[in-house]
Amino acid sequence: QVQVVESGGGVVQPGRSLRLSCAASGFTFSSNAMHWVRQAPGKGLEWVAVISNDGNNKYYADSVKGRFTISRDNSKKTLYLQMNSLRREDTAVYYCARTHSSGNWYFDLWGRGTLVTVSS
Amino acid sequence: AIQLTQSPSSLSASVGDRVTIICRASQGISGALAWYQQKPGKAPKLLIYGASSLESGVPSRFSGSGSETDFTLTISSLQPEDFATYYCQQFNNYPGLTFGGGTKVEIK
Repeated sequence: QVQVVESGGGVVQPGRSLRLSCAASGFTFSSNAMHWVRQAPGKGLEWVAVISNDGNNKYYADSVKGRFTISRDNSKKTLYLQMNSLRREDTAVYYCARTHSSGNWYFDLWGRGTLVTVSS
Repeated sequence: AIQLTQSPSSLSASVGDRVTIICRASQGISGALAWYQQKPGKAPKLLIYGASSLESGVPSRFSGSGSETDFTLTISSLQPEDFATYYCQQFNNYPGLTFGGGTKVEIK
């Protein structure tokens, strides 16, 4: 079954860190660039970061640049998001998403998401 | 960064209605636009990519058109399962990939 499954969310205090994981199955993980997209409660979608298929190229939204780090382990078919210096405005459901088969930065496969709540 | 403005932000329609949603980009993005459908508590689902290409498995009642700054998503005959929130997304100006604010389609 082709899927991605996120994990690692939870409640964390402002200023602390959290690492999210996204386990892929059913497709050749090492062939696709992968993204994190988030959605604050009751709000719209916000792209967070992307990593190339080989892990050599990474880009971030300005809102998380310098605080979040995207990485991947192709041998484990797993995508990661290390989130440091968390702020209340980082509270959101975080989705892992696969780059479209065309290679263009659309998202053709999404996980169910993992909720991160930043609160004291 | 390129801004995407969707209109309307919400609409009420009946089953069988033709529905059109507009997405305007703050600058030209060629055809680098996608549309997604999201139902409550669920992940978004890709409907249209490249402004007008239908994603595999998506019903043909969904169609997209437009280029540069003006884009539309049309549902030719609204079905009960189509009541959801719809988002446009551009990637032309990456890494500043952005989404529109969303359009909620509700039952009249």
